[in-house]
Amino acid sequence: GENVEQHPSTLSVQEGDSAVIKCTYSDSASNYFPWYKQELGKRPQLIIDIRSNVGEKKDQRIAVTLNKTAKHFSLHITETQPEDSAVYFCAAEKNSGGYQKVTFGTGTKLQVIP
Amino acid sequence: DGGITQSPKYLFRKEGQNVTLSCEQNLNHDAMYWYRQDPGQGLRLIYYSQIVNDFQKGDIAEGYSVSREKKESFPLTVTSAQKNPTAFYLCASSIWGTGVNQPQHFGDGTRLSIL
Repeated sequence: GENVEQHPSTLSVQEGDSAVIKCTYSDSASNYFPWYKQELGKRPQLIIDIRSNVGEKKDQRIAVTLNKTAKHFSLHITETQPEDSAVYFCAAEKNSGGYQKVTFGTGTKLQVIP
Repeated sequence: DGGITQSPKYLFRKEGQNVTLSCEQNLNHDAMYWYRQDPGQGLRLIYYSQIVNDFQKGDIAEGYSVSREKKESFPLTVTSAQKNPTAFYLCASSIWGTGVNQPQHFGDGTRLSIL
């Protein structure tokens, strides 16, 4: 089955600096890669996603890059703010026998220091 | 999202007892999922369903059971066979059948503990 590795598990940055979180996946059939943000005690929410036919996608201070050959994708947050502090999860998805199979990474706890 | 409601928010289980976690959605989504979240382990898939009366085991289905009698509802039963049920349980739903994968929408979760 699919295996998604996420690094680092914790990340501390100064406010205004950039943060980068990296994920690798094992199944070349995976074709959809969403990123979720989970604030303390709250539900995970989608912040950005990328499909396998795209190499990069940007939404204001957040960007995601995908390297299909190397099977890795990364989340980039620029000009970090204290409200960016949360746990971030990557995921890899594929269609398997008519079903949408999702595998999550283990999460990165990001702390933005004011 | 207000469209997915999980209940209760906190649940306590006695030894040998089965408990059922509720998940209801009004987003008209076909697909629904149950995840278990433990510290440092991310979200692990328990069961998923993409149409009524059909569901598939995820990566950690042992000790759990589900039903999907209605499109809106996907309850999860934690049976006495699950020896380590203490965790945070998240339900999610997504659009399915468009030919492209869609993001998941999560509920607020249920925290289950053993008495």
